[in-house]
Amino acid sequence: AQSVTQLGSHVSVSEGALVLLRCNYSSSVPPYLFWYVQYPNQGLQLLLKYTSAATLVKGINGFEAEFKKSETSFHLTKPSAHMSDAAEYFCAVSDRSNYQLIWGAGTKLIIKP
Amino acid sequence: EPEVTQTPSHQVTQMGQEVILRCVPISNHLYFYWYRQILGQKVEFLVSFYNNEISEKSEIFDDQFSVERPDGSNFTLKIRSTKLEDSAMYFCAIPGRGSYEQYFGPGTRLTVT
Repeated sequence: AQSVTQLGSHVSVSEGALVLLRCNYSSSVPPYLFWYVQYPNQGLQLLLKYTSAATLVKGINGFEAEFKKSETSFHLTKPSAHMSDAAEYFCAVSDRSNYQLIWGAGTKLIIKP
Repeated sequence: EPEVTQTPSHQVTQMGQEVILRCVPISNHLYFYWYRQILGQKVEFLVSFYNNEISEKSEIFDDQFSVERPDGSNFTLKIRSTKLEDSAMYFCAIPGRGSYEQYFGPGTRLTVT
């Protein structure tokens, strides 16, 4: 069965610092991978996706993620954090036989001024 | 990005009552999904629905739950006899054009008292 692990329920960085949110997955076949962002009291917004094209994927708001098959990872990064990035970030995976998304527990990103 | 609306935005109900949550994609879709997110927990898949039939469902989606496409445009999730533990955000999602990504509605916050 597929699963997603997000290391760190909370990550705190200073404004302007590098953001790194970790996601590891387990899957018997190469999956599709996604990052979603949830701002307080809002829905889930697709940030970026990996679908077996380029391993380095660029998303909205300056975020990017790199698919590393050898490490079964899909970590999310942003070179310079902004206060508006404060939100909860979810990594999700779906396999190629169904459309169901399996979710990580989420990481709350806190930006310190 | 496909748009999805959900009504109501917040529903308060008493234990044992039936609730119907609605999802309306802006454009015509045959496929949709329901997820829920209990406060402070991860997003969980409930059910996928394709062309008027349940495609897949999770263990959470027991006999108390049902889904319908009553009039060809909107989709509903019904909980027949609500329990306290049904209190959660319920999200509807529709697929994007491409590779398994899903686009979410703003959610319905269900509070069972």
